[in-house]
Amino acid sequence: AQSVAQPEDQVNVAEGNPLTVKCTYSVSGNPYLFWYVQYPNRGLQFLLKYITGDNLVKGSYGFEAEFNKSQTSFHLKKPSALVSDSALYFCAVRVFYGNNRLAFGKGNQVVVIP
Amino acid sequence: DGGITQSPKYLFRKEGQNVTLSCEQNLNHDAMYWYRQDPGQGLRLIYYSQIVNDFQKGDIAEGYSVSREKKESFPLTVTSAQKNPTAFYLCASTFTPTGVGNTIYFGEGSWLTVV
Repeated sequence: AQSVAQPEDQVNVAEGNPLTVKCTYSVSGNPYLFWYVQYPNRGLQFLLKYITGDNLVKGSYGFEAEFNKSQTSFHLKKPSALVSDSALYFCAVRVFYGNNRLAFGKGNQVVVIP
Repeated sequence: DGGITQSPKYLFRKEGQNVTLSCEQNLNHDAMYWYRQDPGQGLRLIYYSQIVNDFQKGDIAEGYSVSREKKESFPLTVTSAQKNPTAFYLCASTFTPTGVGNTIYFGEGSWLTVV
């Protein structure tokens, strides 16, 4: 079954330091991977996606993600974290080819410390 | 503005009541979804619809019902059979279901609390 795992519950980082949020995937066939961010009491906002092509994907708000097929990972990164990046981050994978369902990881709480 | 509108933002349900959460989109999207969010469990799919007058159960459909009479609308009814309905509910939509690269977009969510 298609699934993603986000191994850490919370990521703490000092403002200005690099931010990494980890995601590993398990799929049969080609992976189609997504990152979303959720602020308190809000819906999910799309950040970026990997469908095919370059392994480094650039997205919104200065975020990027690196697709690594050998390690089955799709880690989200930002070179310099801001306090406003404090939020809940979800990794997701397309479940069935030809069907647009998404299966989500449990989410990672990111806390950026001023 | 284009987008996905969920209402109400906050809803309180008494024991034994059915309640309906509204989801409307003006993006001309074909597919619509309902997810449930509980702390520490991520998002779980309740129902989804790829075209008008058609919908399929997701992973946790028991105690819920939906309809898709119009392309832009996908209301979710939480019935009295749902024993633990307190949660944050998210509606989502996207273009052309068979496009694997299409992004799914979300509404702002609705809180349902049992009182």
